[in-house]
Amino acid sequence: QKEVEQDPGPLSVPEGAIVSLNCTYSNSAFQYFMWYRQYSRKGPELLMYTYSSGNKEDGRFTAQVDKSSKYISLFIRDSQPSDSATYLCGPSNSNYQLIWGAGTKLIIKP
Amino acid sequence: NAGVTQTPKFQVLKTGQSMTLQCAQDMNHNSMYWYRQDPGMGLRLIYYSASEGTTDKGEVPNGYNVSRLNKREFSLRLESAAPSQTSVYFCASSELPPSVQPQHFGDGTRLSIL
Repeated sequence: QKEVEQDPGPLSVPEGAIVSLNCTYSNSAFQYFMWYRQYSRKGPELLMYTYSSGNKEDGRFTAQVDKSSKYISLFIRDSQPSDSATYLCGPSNSNYQLIWGAGTKLIIKP
Repeated sequence: NAGVTQTPKFQVLKTGQSMTLQCAQDMNHNSMYWYRQDPGMGLRLIYYSASEGTTDKGEVPNGYNVSRLNKREFSLRLESAAPSQTSVYFCASSELPPSVQPQHFGDGTRLSIL
């Protein structure tokens, strides 16, 4: 079993929809949870991070962590075609190394 | 700002050939990383360098060597390339261990081993 599981998609939604991207993880010691966005043929870039459980909002993006169920979510409101990318979740272990999910490919249709 | 620069962007090798992937960052970061990204596998850490003068193995180090040449540069060497090493290779850097500091990535080297 992988430490971090992520549905690879692709997830295709119409412009303006609310998008929900999810990860599950197995190691209860994870404390920091990152979301990276990766455009085609580019390197990943940090989108958001959260510490421990709870929600964090940044513009149209909300990151949510439920440590009791080991579940990480990223919500995108009013989705735009420019949001089309692969989204990678990355919890951080006790050695501060990121443990990456495989990524979910998101397609926003105009 | 250049950020993290990787060279070359593309490379095709024959089995058994060797090559070095170059990475340089201009953000004065202490830590640098090499990852490979394969479909369905996500990013897997090959080697990292927490600071100048130190290197450590990651999840998939076999078949690779690294050199932290100075604070700016971190190279990855394939001594005898194998088809299983066909992948996209990303170099990244961060100010501190990446618990809360973002890793900054280059745009990757696409490597094919025939």
